[in-house]
Amino acid sequence: DGGITQSPKYLFRKEGQNVTLSCEQNLNHDAMYWYRQDPGQGLRLIYYSQIVNDFQKGDIAEGYSVSREKKESFPLTVTSAQKNPTAFYLCASSETSGSTDTQYFGPGTRLTVL
Amino acid sequence: AQSVTQLDSQVPVFEEAPVELRCNYSSSVSVYLFWYVQYPNQGLQLLLKYLSGSTLVKGINGFEAEFNKSQTSFHLRKPSVHISDTAEYFCAVRRISASKIIFGSGTRLSIRP
Repeated sequence: DGGITQSPKYLFRKEGQNVTLSCEQNLNHDAMYWYRQDPGQGLRLIYYSQIVNDFQKGDIAEGYSVSREKKESFPLTVTSAQKNPTAFYLCASSETSGSTDTQYFGPGTRLTVL
Repeated sequence: AQSVTQLDSQVPVFEEAPVELRCNYSSSVSVYLFWYVQYPNQGLQLLLKYLSGSTLVKGINGFEAEFNKSQTSFHLRKPSVHISDTAEYFCAVRRISASKIIFGSGTRLSIRP
């Protein structure tokens, strides 16, 4: 089955710690995205990557970092600089970054900072 | 810049009743429009999208949406809802040739038996 996997499903972190969220896709998609979702708000774009070894900041990149060393993987690190990291994080991918392409979403990781 | 407004944060309806979820957008340029559904603790799934052509777009699970350029709206409708339609629905807009999608704040649809 082709799809997007995110792990872990639930993640707890102490304040001041960095944590890395995993996102893997086997759809052979070029573009990948990270979104943050908070209650009562839509999704906000953190980072996106149009191709391997390249990525761009989204609307709320501060306190986050990413890498795209492999086509199928786009891990997100939530650093201690992120002031309010508790949220639901969604990874997505699309065939290209073209505007007609459908974005397919993973099941999400819920991060809670204790 | 583009923006999306979903006018209702929650919509309660009875099972087998019709439903309309409202979405308005603002943009100075042409856009593509999308509706996504999110079931509890899951990712988003595309319901339908408008790229061009017929303004009435049919999607999965019996949903449809109508693009109205003069009113800058893209309302989602279903003639008869089922308990399984309980979810949060997101309207989204994407400027032609842009990589980013702008999402609305979501409408939570709750179905009463």
